[in-house]
Amino acid sequence: EPEVTQTPSHQVTQMGQEVILRCVPISNHLYFYWYRQILGQKVEFLVSFYNNEISEKSEIFDDQFSVERPDGSNFTLKIRSTKLEDSAMYFCASSSMGKSYNSPLHFGNGTRLTVT
Amino acid sequence: ILNVEQSPQSLHVQEGDSTNFTCSFPSSNFYALHWYRWETAKSPEALFVMTLNGDEKKKGRISATLNTKEGYSYLYIKGSQPEDSATYLCASYGSARQLTFGSGTQLTVLP
Repeated sequence: EPEVTQTPSHQVTQMGQEVILRCVPISNHLYFYWYRQILGQKVEFLVSFYNNEISEKSEIFDDQFSVERPDGSNFTLKIRSTKLEDSAMYFCASSSMGKSYNSPLHFGNGTRLTVT
Repeated sequence: ILNVEQSPQSLHVQEGDSTNFTCSFPSSNFYALHWYRWETAKSPEALFVMTLNGDEKKKGRISATLNTKEGYSYLYIKGSQPEDSATYLCASYGSARQLTFGSGTQLTVLP
């Protein structure tokens, strides 16, 4: 069964550094998402992406964050200058045709980002 | 209700017992309710997506109901097995046009 893959599984970075988290969504999916879970807290929505542009973003997704689909397969999340509070598990997800709200999300295994 | 709330937070049941848990969500501007099963060290896996009031969905021993007027959904597991042990997440899609997740119910099925 096709799956969403994320790399790396764990990233350690120093405060102020840029990080890029990478995702390969399921190939025929149209909607792409990033979520994060800070340890002990709820899974939080960051951004959704459709038709090569951001369709929705949360208040967490400020100017330090950006997303890109540089080619036909990858979907990346960049954090320009990491802060300690960016430490979290970041999940990429994709969903197929139809309205984004009634298609189930397919999640990757996540990238654990640790900012020191 | 402004947030998505799930109860109980955690639950231990014996193998063979049936169990259920609750998800409460904002009933206004409701579009859809998602249930996911999340096993340790794996990614969340979709169980159900429900949109209509009164919807009931079933997948093997797991079923879910939806009441959009009062803003709640129940997830039922019949005859729990150790492999059902996981965190069960619900998420509501509403006026914010994003999926808002609850904290999850952590189920442990004891052999």
